[in-house]
Amino acid sequence: EVQLVESGGGLVQPGGSLRLSCAASGFTLSSYWMQWVRQAPGKGLVWVSRINSDGITTTYADSVKGRFTISRDNAKNTLYLQMNSLRAEDTAVYYCARGRTGLDYWGQGTLVTVSS
Amino acid sequence: IQLTQSPSSLSASVGDRVTITCRATQGINSYFAWYQQKPGKAPKLLIYAASTLQSGVPSRFSGSGSGTDFTLTISSLQPEDFATYYCQQLNSYPLTFGGGTKVEIK
Repeated sequence: EVQLVESGGGLVQPGGSLRLSCAASGFTLSSYWMQWVRQAPGKGLVWVSRINSDGITTTYADSVKGRFTISRDNAKNTLYLQMNSLRAEDTAVYYCARGRTGLDYWGQGTLVTVSS
Repeated sequence: IQLTQSPSSLSASVGDRVTITCRATQGINSYFAWYQQKPGKAPKLLIYAASTLQSGVPSRFSGSGSGTDFTLTISSLQPEDFATYYCQQLNSYPLTFGGGTKVEIK
């Protein structure tokens, strides 16, 4: 059974850092494109970042470019999102999702709250 | 590519036919998807490649369209279909979503 389980969210002060993890099971992470999508409280879905199956090609939304880094550990079958210089507007539930032509599996989400 | 989804909300009854549209600012080569999201839950993929039904999704859901105009249709609304629906283009990065359509009970 395919599963994605996020962790690492929490309360952080503006300017702080967090690293989100997305543990995959039931499939090999390195065979798929993976995405991070976020959703601010009461708002819509916003794409954040992707990493190709080659593990080298990455892309970021303008709003997080230079602050967030997507990566993966093939041995642990885990996807990461390193988030630095966090701002209040980064407050959201962060989802990892699998796919390229449609995001067919999603994690349950992890809440990141940026506040002093 | 910006996606304009309409309506932003609608009220409908069980058994109604419901249509949600999404218009893109540029042409999309059928890399287009629809999702359903219920409160507190992750989105669920319904349709990909504009018209291909994801495995396990009931056949009352269908997608159509090409170029800049896409449609999600629910042929006979069921109680479990009351949710928010999002369109998404996967043709080019940054990926973008429509603003969502909340389907409520009339």
